[in-house]
Amino acid sequence: KAGVTQTPRYLIKTRGQQVTLSCSPISGHRSVSWYQQTPGQGLQFLFEYFSETQRNKGNFPGRFSGRQFSNSRSEMNVSTLELGDSALYLCASSLAAYTDTQYFGPGTRLTVL
Amino acid sequence: GESVGLHLPTLSVQEGDNSIINCAYSNSASDYFIWYKQESGKGPQFIIDIRSNMDKRQGQRVTVLLNKTVKHLSLQIAATQPGDSAVYFCAETMEYGNKLVFGAGTILRVKS
Repeated sequence: KAGVTQTPRYLIKTRGQQVTLSCSPISGHRSVSWYQQTPGQGLQFLFEYFSETQRNKGNFPGRFSGRQFSNSRSEMNVSTLELGDSALYLCASSLAAYTDTQYFGPGTRLTVL
Repeated sequence: GESVGLHLPTLSVQEGDNSIINCAYSNSASDYFIWYKQESGKGPQFIIDIRSNMDKRQGQRVTVLLNKTVKHLSLQIAATQPGDSAVYFCAETMEYGNKLVFGAGTILRVKS
């Protein structure tokens, strides 16, 4: 069974631009979560989608948004990029319940110049 | 975002020795705990998990111990191998959403 895939793997943007990252979950998984990983703050939860609805949200500004499609694929968008948004963005998928294992993709490395 | 700490402790062990990685979790209401391993350039990889109604769980070469009284989690790796070198994260969660709260992580270095 194929794992979680994320595209693109690397991205370079400039301040003020916006970016869209994509995540394809493991087949059959209906929950997709997004995390931001930085050296300073570690791994932080952004939001989680289940059956096309945002089920949980972390403490990030409104510039960070996401959505999930009917096939469970998910996208996250960051608008008006800031230097501090440079990070590894990780997507994780799981079957449904909070005790179902979350499997992570390789991440998208975003650099904001 | 939620802060999970800035420091990354390092544990250096000799190949073949046992490793113990510790984690203090933050929320006494958390009832599900997971250990992940992250190698350079990769996403976190699931190792083992434990529910709050257990205090010990064993996998292949790994054991997780949970002490709810002091909110402490540990990961024991038996006969540590060079391939175990990575950053190890504990994570906690509770009902109502797949929101994992991660610890700061521990770097494990295995010397041959």
